[in-house]
Parts: sequence; C-alpha cells; structure tokens
Amino acid sequence: SQQGEEDPQALSIQEGENATMNCSYKTSINNLQWYRQNSGRGLVHLILIRSNEREKHSGRLRVTLDTSKKSSSLLITASRAADTASYFCATDFSSGSARQLTFGSGTQLTVLP
Amino acid sequence: ETGVTQTPRHLVMGMTNKKSLKCEQHLGHNAMYWYKQSAKKPLELMFVYSLEERVENNSVPSRFSPECPNSSHLFLHLHTLQPEDSALYLCASSPGTGPYEQYFGPGTRLTVT
Repeated sequence: SQQGEEDPQALSIQEGENATMNCSYKTSINNLQWYRQNSGRGLVHLILIRSNEREKHSGRLRVTLDTSKKSSSLLITASRAADTASYFCATDFSSGSARQLTFGSGTQLTVLP
Repeated sequence: ETGVTQTPRHLVMGMTNKKSLKCEQHLGHNAMYWYKQSAKKPLELMFVYSLEERVENNSVPSRFSPECPNSSHLFLHLHTLQPEDSALYLCASSPGTGPYEQYFGPGTRLTVT
C-alpha cells in the first residue's frame, strides 16, 4: 500500500502568497523528506525531518511532522514564480534488507506572477 | 547540477530493441537506485544497489536488467519492452541506504513504440 499521499493534488496561488501542502502516511517511519521536481526533470531534495522532530525550517520552507496523526506539511512562504513545480513527500521506512523511500503522487504548485 | 548524470536524456525504441540507460554519480556515494515515473503515478522504486550489490528488487519484470559494475556507475538494460514501459526513468544515489537524502539525475525519457 502507498505510504505517502499529498494533498491537494494541485494548488494555484499568486506570487507573494504562502503555499501549504500536506502529506499523510500509513506506517511508522524513520524520517520524512520533501522533494521538488521541475517539469520533466529529476527530483531535488528540500528538507528531511526525523521522526523525533516536530518542526524544521530551511529558508522560506517550514516543515512540520505529527507522528500521532501520521501527517506532515510543507509551507512555502512568500512564494515566487520560480517555486512552480511538483512537490513530493517521501517516507523512509525499513523494508527487507534496505531502508527505502516511498514517494507520494505529489502536489503540483503553480505560482502566478 | 546534483552530481548525478544520466544518458541518454531521451530514448525512443521499438519493442524488439535492446538498449541501455546509464547513470553516473560523482558524489562518492555507496548506494544507487533506479526509479520509474509514469504520468499520474507515484515514483516507483525498481532497484537498489548498495556497495555494488543489489539489495532490493521490487518485483520488476525481467525485461529490465540492472547492472552496477562499481559504486559510481549504474546501468539499466532494456529488452523487449512494452508500450506501458514508456516513462521517465530516474537514477538516484545516496551516501548509504540509511537515513539519507537521495540525489537524483535528470532522468531518461523513454518512449516505447
């Protein structure tokens, strides 16, 4: 079964506004990561939050993690047109002989100038 | 640039062809991954290599054959593919298979005709 699931699937906002994306997952995790993907390109790692952390900041990014609700959110403040991309959460959990990342379907963010 | 390169960037092949995708990482990492990204679907992990040994194979059809000759190079050999195999194939690397972020290449856009 799929681990991470983002919500909403698509989000369109004006430049300067804040964008919030949510991720829910189903089983216990070691950490949760957020990635960004520009159209047709590879993913770029944004931030990693460990299971014992509740909040983490990186520049205009703020990530929260609520392990009791099995959910995380990514907040991008003061958005820019260049933030337009797909954003994925990935849950790190142990499976078999290696730890794996399982990605959600992503949120497509469009920031209008 | 993430330090992970993939060639070719685009590939069109018939169902009877044999081709190979190449990935190279210049980061000194010990783990490498192949992912498949199809439209409207989450990223699917195909194979994981750690220190050149395959540690995970997520029920991938035998028409996909990975090869990891050393810790810097990863290949995906393709043989008698189906049209539904058309997708973006992404390579990634990480320092190990533990709690690390992954660094992705730009991907190979594969079209099977």
